[in-house]
Amino acid sequence: GAGVSQSPSNKVTEKGKDVELRCDPISGHTALYWYRQSLGQGLEFLIYFQGNSAPDKSGLPSDRFSAERTGGSVSTLTIQRTQQEDSAVYLCASSLGQGKGYTFGSGTRLTVV
Amino acid sequence: QQQVKQSPQSLIVQKGGISIINCAYENTAFDYFPWYQQFPGKGPALLIAIRPDVSEKKEGRFTISFNKSAKQFSLHIMDSQPGDSATYFCAAYHLTGGFKTIFGAGTRLFVKA
Repeated sequence: GAGVSQSPSNKVTEKGKDVELRCDPISGHTALYWYRQSLGQGLEFLIYFQGNSAPDKSGLPSDRFSAERTGGSVSTLTIQRTQQEDSAVYLCASSLGQGKGYTFGSGTRLTVV
Repeated sequence: QQQVKQSPQSLIVQKGGISIINCAYENTAFDYFPWYQQFPGKGPALLIAIRPDVSEKKEGRFTISFNKSAKQFSLHIMDSQPGDSATYFCAAYHLTGGFKTIFGAGTRLFVKA
């Protein structure tokens, strides 16, 4: 596609429920990243996928968070047993690889009530 | 060592003035320094980037100044316009390892008409 597509754009969920956030990167981009942006804050790295390599999961805040990337394209970020502190905008980005800037999606705004 | 420190948190500039945002880093392995611009409800967008082998890069009204010895870099927006009002993030990236971009906390710029 022309850009990075994320869905849903907004998600309200009850505390304790699981949620899945989807990212469709730009076709041909081998690298895919997930970041979290809390209100008025910077971007917190969560996880990085590059081609067929093992993902860099070093930013995942707890074992309730997981992500996968199927077929080197679409990625899903899953948050289990959501907590109120998980409320944030979850941003996905893709790039052509090393030394290339990211193209971000518009994010999924997650609200845990 | 992985942090990128950004200042100021917020900035108000008159139309036509110069907006200056500063960043500092610790990790000398960083070798790619992009700036991102983010409008409300959108993901960040790559604005301009520099590598440490040059001291300045200019694209239109946007200039990055880079001081390798001081481990500092800054964004200058000349002839600032109300349409430049956005949040700006500096970032740093390690081309040969890690691959994830570390972002500063962001600067909210407001340009008064």
